[in-house]
Amino acid sequence: DQQVKQNSPSLSVQEGRISILNCDYTNSMFDYFLWYKKYPAEGPTFLISISSIKDKNEDGRFTVFLNKSAKHLSLHIVPSQPGDSTVYFCAARGGNTGGFKTIFGAGTRLFVKA
Amino acid sequence: GAVVSQHPSRVICKSGTSVKIECRSLDFQATTMFWYRQFPKQSLMLMATSNEGSKATYEQGVEKDKFLINHASLTLSTLTVTSAHPEDSSFYICSASSGGAHNEQFFGPGTRLTVL
Repeated sequence: DQQVKQNSPSLSVQEGRISILNCDYTNSMFDYFLWYKKYPAEGPTFLISISSIKDKNEDGRFTVFLNKSAKHLSLHIVPSQPGDSTVYFCAARGGNTGGFKTIFGAGTRLFVKA
Repeated sequence: GAVVSQHPSRVICKSGTSVKIECRSLDFQATTMFWYRQFPKQSLMLMATSNEGSKATYEQGVEKDKFLINHASLTLSTLTVTSAHPEDSSFYICSASSGGAHNEQFFGPGTRLTVL
């Protein structure tokens, strides 16, 4: 049972434009959400997070939006840069997953074209 | 940010042998460490959660006798893949958490295991 879903395996965006990566979850008990990026043969790198008590969190070019009623969150990257090209994982934590056990989505590969 | 290391980064072994992977938190004490595996083009799947000084908690479907986890100190956890088979070939990643408001996890660089 996939509790965190990233339905788009890939996304292609022109440099300078906005990249929007989407994530859906099924467990309403999740209370903390994270985005990571990951390069091949490396561990994930934390990007940005959001608590369930908020609907938006911004850090530089990265903004995460949370819509709890829709069980949906998204990561916006603007402006997109070629160096942003990699795989992005959405993750969720809390509730009956067992404290701070983190559940990951399948990832979305972002291609930013110069 | 906090640094987590893994050793070795790559290992190739023969079928039937055992392989030990180390995960170290270099500049903080990790009360909890997590072990994940990732198959190509797939997500990170949590295998087990370990707390220092206690037995690891394994996820459903993960054989605890095959994947031995030891968390002997606040800076070191080890994963031993016993009697490895080719289907155990994967990318193994650990993460460490020191607690805190959101129990932030810091990930190691991963270990690529290839079983021939």
